[in-house]
Amino acid sequence: QSVLTQPPSVSAAPGQRVTISCSGSASDIGTYYVSWYQQLPGTAPRLLIYDVNNRPSGIPDRFSGSKSGTSATLVITGLQSGDEGDYYCGSWDGSLRLFGGGTKLTVL
Amino acid sequence: QVQLRQWGAGLLKPTETLSLTCAVYGGSFSGYSWSWVRQFPGKGLEWIGDVTYSGSTDYNPSLKSRVSISGDTSISQISLRLRSVTAADTAIYYCARWQTLAPSIRFFDSWGQGSQVTVSA
Repeated sequence: QSVLTQPPSVSAAPGQRVTISCSGSASDIGTYYVSWYQQLPGTAPRLLIYDVNNRPSGIPDRFSGSKSGTSATLVITGLQSGDEGDYYCGSWDGSLRLFGGGTKLTVL
Repeated sequence: QVQLRQWGAGLLKPTETLSLTCAVYGGSFSGYSWSWVRQFPGKGLEWIGDVTYSGSTDYNPSLKSRVSISGDTSISQISLRLRSVTAADTAIYYCARWQTLAPSIRFFDSWGQGSQVTVSA
């Protein structure tokens, strides 16, 4: 059972906006920054968002993040079929590197 | 842009030792921590442990008694050994770079391609 809690699945139509939540505690998300990872089918995870709302080079600005207290949210706008896959939040508690259980995004 | 490429045995019997290696290309090995993360068949991710460029290690307490991670700066490689494997260790194993921008800003910024490890009698 993952320490960070995510919804198992979300879905939306192409072009729409979708949000994925990640809930933690005061000792992890409440203290440290959140990262988000995208895993497309058959591939390794890749960094999508770090430091709450910073994107590595090559990640489009359709992806954004936010944090409030002990929760974080990933927002994807202008949804595309190529966005379909699994999304994981990450953080740490000063010792353990932590992950959410993952959210499967389906583009309808 | 840093690339991580990994390899190792994919099929093990219970009680055997899992052994994987990860090579770092196109970026500095020094100044970073290098991690192993595994992904179970149900998709959950679990951090196994990491080694810094200077050789210090940090392990997930749940695996600490069975795991050993080492690094060789001369060839920019890290290795994972997990002893006494069982079917519960069946997973895809990834090497990854643990980036630290500030004390509170840490994340995995590069990942290897993954290695499927299956434990079966």
